[in-house]
Amino acid sequence: EDQVTQSPEALRLQEGESSSLNCSYTVSGLRGLFWYRQDPGKGPEFLFTLYSAGEEKEKERLKATLTKKESFLHITAPKPEDSATYLCAVQAFSGGYNKLIFGAGTRLAVHP
Amino acid sequence: DVKVTQSSRYLVKRTGEKVFLECVQDMDHENMFWYRQDPGLGLRLIYFSYDVKMKEKGDIPEGYSVSREKKERFSLILESASTNQTSMYLCASSPGASFQPQHFGDGTRLSIL
Repeated sequence: EDQVTQSPEALRLQEGESSSLNCSYTVSGLRGLFWYRQDPGKGPEFLFTLYSAGEEKEKERLKATLTKKESFLHITAPKPEDSATYLCAVQAFSGGYNKLIFGAGTRLAVHP
Repeated sequence: DVKVTQSSRYLVKRTGEKVFLECVQDMDHENMFWYRQDPGLGLRLIYFSYDVKMKEKGDIPEGYSVSREKKERFSLILESASTNQTSMYLCASSPGASFQPQHFGDGTRLSIL
């Protein structure tokens, strides 16, 4: 069964304390992995797309990497404004159509 | 920037009512999607559309229908609202080319009393 698992469920960091979020997946035929940021009461905001193992993308304090089984979102020297839920989604052919399979998300809280 | 606009941020309706949720995108995207998001269950796909007047069922279509009469607009219809349809509803769009990211609206928080 196609599945996306994110860990940890919640993460509390001090400002400046770097860390990584994990997204592991089991899908037959990966067609892209996407990272989103979601603030409370808002829709997910697109961050990165990764298509093949070894690929990396960066944006400000965020860096996303991809292997054949998982993706990491590295957060370097985070600030309080990085606090949000980070969602990972995998594009796969499942149930007869191309679909996004979402993980449950990691709730990140960065404290000053 | 892609703009996906959902007509209401908050909506309160009564059991049995017919409810319409509207979504408009301004980037000429072919694909449009409706999800619901519930704590502990994540985002689940209700319906999607790859073209005008075309619709496909997602993972949880029961109790819902959709309409896409124009390329930029995708409507979700709750035929007879029930309390278990209380949720956050999210609309998304993406280009027709395969495997492009979906862009989301800010959601409609729907409460059915």
